[in-house]
Amino acid sequence: GAVVSQHPSWVICKSGTSVKIECRSLDFQATTMFWYRQFPKQSLMLMATSNEGSKATYEQGVEKDKFLINHASLTLSTLTVTSAHPEDSSFYICSAPLSASSYEQYFGPGTRLTVT
Amino acid sequence: AQTVTQSQPEMSVQEAETVTLSCTYDTSENNYYLFWYKQPPSRQMILVIRQEAYKQQNATENRFSVNFQKAAKSFSLKISDSQLGDTAMYFCAFMSYTGTASKLTFGTGTRLQVTL
Repeated sequence: GAVVSQHPSWVICKSGTSVKIECRSLDFQATTMFWYRQFPKQSLMLMATSNEGSKATYEQGVEKDKFLINHASLTLSTLTVTSAHPEDSSFYICSAPLSASSYEQYFGPGTRLTVT
Repeated sequence: AQTVTQSQPEMSVQEAETVTLSCTYDTSENNYYLFWYKQPPSRQMILVIRQEAYKQQNATENRFSVNFQKAAKSFSLKISDSQLGDTAMYFCAFMSYTGTASKLTFGTGTRLQVTL
């Protein structure tokens, strides 16, 4: 089946620094990707929809200047957490549908971010 | 906005037994998809089963089946012949049918423990 990868799988950064997380569709092209955030023992909450070649669509309450999303190619979307703080520590998961009209989404393995 | 509710934070079942996980949702839409995802300790999201709202027949995938009651907005998951590998978090999810790839709205999850 379709594969979505994320890099890194885990990262530790200091408060105030920025960290970039990559989401790649390995064997298909994704014009749209979704970024979710999952706190410990909680559900996945959609942060934003990443659109290839255009601006991302952010969910209400998500700071677009803090969580920068760039979807520069049909196989890569990046999420940059700027000026990270301990409260940004979380599990970040991306997903991508197989095609623009597909209901089925493939999830990346997630990235655990710890901000010290 | 759609909401998805899972009222059972934790469930336990013995190996080889049957267990049913509950899910209710709220929407004003007529066409949509419903999903059950499994998240094992690895945190990788795995699609278990899906249901198209326009289909009256309940979806079945091997040991997994759903009871979809559209009027009641209920979508429960039945796991038959439970196996130790079924131990995981299970999330019910809703997706609008828009003709294009759309975001998922997740429930809060049910932690299932399969015991010997």
